[in-house]
Amino acid sequence: DSGVTQTPKHLITATGQRVTLRCSPRSGDLSVYWYQQSLDQGLQFLIQYYNGEERAKGNILERFSAQQFPDLHSELNLSSLELGDSALYFCASSVDHIVDTQYFGPGTRLTVL
Amino acid sequence: GENVEQHPSTLSVQEGDSAVIKCTYSDSASNYFPWYKQELGKRPQLIIDIRSNVGEKKDQRIAVTLNKTAKHFSLHITETQPEDSAVYFCAGDSNYQLIWGAGTKLIIKP
Repeated sequence: DSGVTQTPKHLITATGQRVTLRCSPRSGDLSVYWYQQSLDQGLQFLIQYYNGEERAKGNILERFSAQQFPDLHSELNLSSLELGDSALYFCASSVDHIVDTQYFGPGTRLTVL
Repeated sequence: GENVEQHPSTLSVQEGDSAVIKCTYSDSASNYFPWYKQELGKRPQLIIDIRSNVGEKKDQRIAVTLNKTAKHFSLHITETQPEDSAVYFCAGDSNYQLIWGAGTKLIIKP
């Protein structure tokens, strides 16, 4: 157990809908990262937050947004969902905003029907 | 943009033999190179990392080597065991994010 928690574990929804994925980082970690992993694919970096502020942006679609709250938990919002958004979404956390060891949560499996 | 290339995409080795996975990176300013292991259906987990001020690092059966001049680094696993079967990802830091390789599926044959 990495200490990073993600909810829900599974999510099944329909095209056009909006969902929110939640992540709680390890105690003491200030940075949160979001990744998308499609079936049998690599890890696609979406976005990073450090202590409530956006720090780095990867290949995140305009339909997706994220935020980190004062208690350091983070939410990833996915809207106008398409079939191709079906994937495993991982959250990771690290101590500092400088790239360091990232601890991954168990992931949320999103299925868009 | 910055890029990390990883080879091979699939590697099949006999149990007990060694496995080597190679990555090359494009950002000459990169200083941090972790390797993550992802077992089927599970989260990626850090297995070893190296920073640019060292050329090699070992942890039991796992070692990583770094050649900053050539901009490549490699993961070496000796005396492979069935539990080494997984997908391995390399990464390098660039502009405050990790750039990830595409992954190598390591298969250990009994």
